Amino acid sequence: DTAVSQTPKYLVTQMGNDKSIKCEQNLGHDTMYWYKQDSKKFLKIMFSYNNKELIINETVPNRFSPKSPDKAHLNLHINSLELGDSAVYFCASSQGWPQETQYFGPGTRLLVL
Amino acid sequence: QKEVEQNSGPLSVPEGAIASLNCTYSDRGSQSFFWYRQYSGKSPELIMSIYSNGDKEDGRFTAQLNKASQYVSLLIRDSQPSDSATYLCAVTDTGRRALTFGSGTRLQVQP
Repeated sequence: DTAVSQTPKYLVTQMGNDKSIKCEQNLGHDTMYWYKQDSKKFLKIMFSYNNKELIINETVPNRFSPKSPDKAHLNLHINSLELGDSAVYFCASSQGWPQETQYFGPGTRLLVL
Repeated sequence: QKEVEQNSGPLSVPEGAIASLNCTYSDRGSQSFFWYRQYSGKSPELIMSIYSNGDKEDGRFTAQLNKASQYVSLLIRDSQPSDSATYLCAVTDTGRRALTFGSGTRLQVQP
């Protein structure tokens, strides 16, 4: 009964490929997030969806496109992968703002060769 | 650019000692403050949240907030080797439904 799950956990791919990461939460939360954690462990917000509506879109390349088919799911599609995209991508969810805790998924470790 | 600053460490303390982790933030409008713990290769997990000035205690953990000084800290009493991890300070970003994270402080508790 994992609260926030992500697939896949590991992703190794070649430059130029297109890949997707899926995220699902079973907590009934209304807000979901994508974060990127680089090699220096800095965790930075990429996107945020509230009730399937995009509310935060940071200065992320257009190659990254989030999609939220419903409140429980938030997927991340990445086109034309580059070496610099190598990082750990975390999905998170929360209910309410600004006091509610964000719960993180296990992360997807992306390595672009 | 709103920032959250933490000393990267490592902060090394002997088992049983008090570990003190500090964080400063630039956004005066921030309302909520969180400490997350992240073990190597794992995802962040919430340790403490604090919303008003003063101290908040939960077991061995105490969070302290001083909004006038834009400073938040985490004290870990009776530190255990299992507390060895990276501690991330996170602050709500005024006007956006997002958290801004510090780069984390690595804590090492020596047996």
